[in-house]
Amino acid sequence: DARVTQTPRHKVTEMGQEVTMRCQPILGHNTVFWYRQTMMQGLELLAYFRNRAPLDDSGMPKDRFSAEMPDATLATLKIQPSEPRDSAVYFCASGTPTGGGPYEQYFGPGTRLTVT
Amino acid sequence: LAKTTQPISMDSYEGQEVNITCSHNNIATNDYITWYQQFPSQGPRFIIQGYKTKVTNEVASLFIPADRKSSTLSLPRVSLSDTAVYYCLVGGTGAGSYQLTFGKGTKLSVIP
Repeated sequence: DARVTQTPRHKVTEMGQEVTMRCQPILGHNTVFWYRQTMMQGLELLAYFRNRAPLDDSGMPKDRFSAEMPDATLATLKIQPSEPRDSAVYFCASGTPTGGGPYEQYFGPGTRLTVT
Repeated sequence: LAKTTQPISMDSYEGQEVNITCSHNNIATNDYITWYQQFPSQGPRFIIQGYKTKVTNEVASLFIPADRKSSTLSLPRVSLSDTAVYYCLVGGTGAGSYQLTFGKGTKLSVIP
């Protein structure tokens, strides 16, 4: 049963520290999404890649967040420096477009980040 | 982006059919309607997707009227394990760009 994996599952860090979250998409999926979920804002799209190229990162604070796909099996989301307001659950999802319709996205278990 | 409106919460007893309606008045011609389910401490899970009329799978049915300005997710004979947040999304890949936005969802509570 193919699944999206994310590491770490939990991260507690102090304000100002660098945080790196990793995602392994499902093999064969050419599109990877990064989301952030908080109680106040719900599920927000931060960025997404297709065939490893960034297509849209307009939902991401550019001054501190960066997302990359070094290869087809790894996507990373980095926050530097981290701030308490970054505390949230970060989800990675992968999928493949089906004709003109939207993606069926497969979500990972998420990384729960707490910045103190 | 098409905006969606769905109830914040719903309660249902076990064994009943649950219908969750989503309004999307400014849906575009190329937009699809997709529903996801999210359990606590898990990522959302795809349930069903449709463009018009009716779609049914082993989990749910999706009813879309002719004007496509709303849609209804139908869950037959819910059980306690169906307690979750359900998201209605409208959009598509259009000209190659991703056009799906998750709203706040509907929190379904199934009561024994």
